[in-house]
Amino acid sequence: SSELTQDPAVSVALGQTVRITCQGDSLRSYYASWYQQKPGQAPVVVIYGKNNRPSGIPDRFSGSSSGNTASLTITGAQAEDEADYFCNSRDSSGNSYVFGTGTKVTVL
Amino acid sequence: QVQLVQSGAEVKKSGASVKVSCKASGYTFTGYYVHWVRQAPGQGLEWMGRINPSSGDTNYAQKFQDRVTLTRDTSISTAYMELSSLKSDDTAIYYCARRIHLRGDVWFDPWGQGTLVTVSS
Repeated sequence: SSELTQDPAVSVALGQTVRITCQGDSLRSYYASWYQQKPGQAPVVVIYGKNNRPSGIPDRFSGSSSGNTASLTITGAQAEDEADYFCNSRDSSGNSYVFGTGTKVTVL
Repeated sequence: QVQLVQSGAEVKKSGASVKVSCKASGYTFTGYYVHWVRQAPGQGLEWMGRINPSSGDTNYAQKFQDRVTLTRDTSISTAYMELSSLKSDDTAIYYCARRIHLRGDVWFDPWGQGTLVTVSS
């Protein structure tokens, strides 16, 4: 299968922790990368590989993976974290890439 | 700084073609693959394909195999995406993104600002 499935929406209280998951067969072979997209803006990478943050990304963002599931955790969510989040990985063939269906995070 | 700057918005008729450019700066253009991703209004991200700017080698998503052509001009550090036989559901924002491949990890950074392509009948 070349699909990556995410929950459509999650909400989190300000300062609390939220975990976003991404499921797909290809995640048994490849790590996911995670992208944050705010309205009207291009996506920005927040996590790649096993659990790596590009410079400038706050350390409240972390990643993990187990079996066919990759997870992005925001520990101590801030108002500015409200956005859409997409996972991405190679597909099972390794020759193409696929994005997750996306999760809208609302910070209450 | 590393950046990708895309061409401006386009309005096309059904059946026409569109060509979007993506100019790279701040890094060695031939050192990184360029990928193309689109996003229909209110929808998710969809991977279309990629080009190796050094060799010109391409790889396309099966969905777009017959309609998309990725090219590059290394003399001006610019990648191009041409989509033919446009339909109304090709209306979307089209993004280019630089792929980084380091110690087995792969990610896209940065992304271009996006180009809105509107297809009207």
